[in-house]
Amino acid sequence: EPEVTQTPSHQVTQMGQEVILRCVPISNHLYFYWYRQILGQKVEFLVSFYNNEISEKSEIFDDQFSVERPDGSNFTLKIRSTKLEDSAMYFCASSLGKNSNQPQHFGDGTRLSIL
Amino acid sequence: AQSVTQLGSHVSVSEGALVLLRCNYSSSVPPYLFWYVQYPNQGLQLLLKYTTGATLVKGINGFEAEFKKSETSFHLTKPSAHMSDAAEYFCAVSASFQKLVFGTGTRLLVSP
Repeated sequence: EPEVTQTPSHQVTQMGQEVILRCVPISNHLYFYWYRQILGQKVEFLVSFYNNEISEKSEIFDDQFSVERPDGSNFTLKIRSTKLEDSAMYFCASSLGKNSNQPQHFGDGTRLSIL
Repeated sequence: AQSVTQLGSHVSVSEGALVLLRCNYSSSVPPYLFWYVQYPNQGLQLLLKYTTGATLVKGINGFEAEFKKSETSFHLTKPSAHMSDAAEYFCAVSASFQKLVFGTGTRLLVSP
């Protein structure tokens, strides 16, 4: 079965540095998402992306965050100047469409640790 | 706005016993409801979903859930627990299929 793949599985970065988290969605999917899970807390929606633009974003997704689909296969989340509180597990997801028969499929996540 | 409450951060059952994981939702529009499972060091896997139609939905691995509008609930059940069911379970609600709003999760522990 096709999978969403995320790299790296674990990223350690100094506070203030830029970090890029990478995702390869399922190949024929059209909608892409990022979620994060701070340790011990719930999974939170960050952003959804369709047709090369953001379709919805949460209040968490401020100016330090950006997303991009630089080519036909990758979907990236960039955090411009990382803070300690950005430490979390970041999940990428994709879906074929946005109706009931086309659920979101999640990757295994990237654990981001900010020092 | 949508929200989800999962009662019980941990649920312990014996192998072969009934599994019941509780989820209550709040939604200003007819909700779409989901249960996801997360095994250690893995992503979220869809167990089942309710959109419209039949209120009792069956998912993978023998799990099922019933949508009860009057109780605003979507509890997850399985008649007989297996050791392999030990994982974290997340209930989620969505109005648009784009933004999923998750509960805090329930860790299921299964003892022999």
